[in-house]
Amino acid sequence: TQLLEQSPQFLSIQEGENLTVYCNSSSVFSSLQWYRQEPGEGPVLLVTVVTGGEVKKLKRLTFQFGDARKDSSLHITAAQPGDTGLYLCAPRSGNTPLVFGKGTRLSVIA
Amino acid sequence: EAQVTQNPRYLITVTGKKLTVTCSQNMNHEYMSWYRQDPGLGLRQIYYSMNVEVTDKGDVPEGYKVSRKEKRNFPLILESPSPNQTSLYFCASSLGVGTDTQYFGPGTRLTVL
Repeated sequence: TQLLEQSPQFLSIQEGENLTVYCNSSSVFSSLQWYRQEPGEGPVLLVTVVTGGEVKKLKRLTFQFGDARKDSSLHITAAQPGDTGLYLCAPRSGNTPLVFGKGTRLSVIA
Repeated sequence: EAQVTQNPRYLITVTGKKLTVTCSQNMNHEYMSWYRQDPGLGLRQIYYSMNVEVTDKGDVPEGYKVSRKEKRNFPLILESPSPNQTSLYFCASSLGVGTDTQYFGPGTRLTVL
């Protein structure tokens, strides 16, 4: 089982602040997905990154896949209370089953 | 509406009483899986299925069984539940494995007394 670390584990910020969360591993991945899970619901896919160095934007969220495809970051600009949730990364190696990181629990206070 | 459904959503039971959590998807997905989510441990895969009649163990399969007799259904069976199986369970499905989106059910909160 690959070693996968998400940081920070918990983050509590004020509305309007910027933040970055990280997903790191010692393994190289073919792709990586980010999911958000809101309280009482299942995770929902935000983005899939495939190419080393790739940057994808989803409104105020910016996702980057590391050049070596071992890590990824998620940056949120001007966070809003609706961004509150558990952010999970899920790297992929070929067609192996999905493995999730433990997640970063984000709380955005109005 | 494309969705993954799970039943029941909440269940309180006692040690040793067999139970089944159902999972059904209406998207004609090949791949289905079960996860449990526990504080501090994240989402851990219990079992997965690449197609009908094909099932494989995930990271934490002990104490669980699954079956995939039809493409749309993937029930999770606890033959003799124990308190350490108290958890939040999610079923998920996707078209394939690769880069495909995993669609998750709403979750089943199980308490074993």
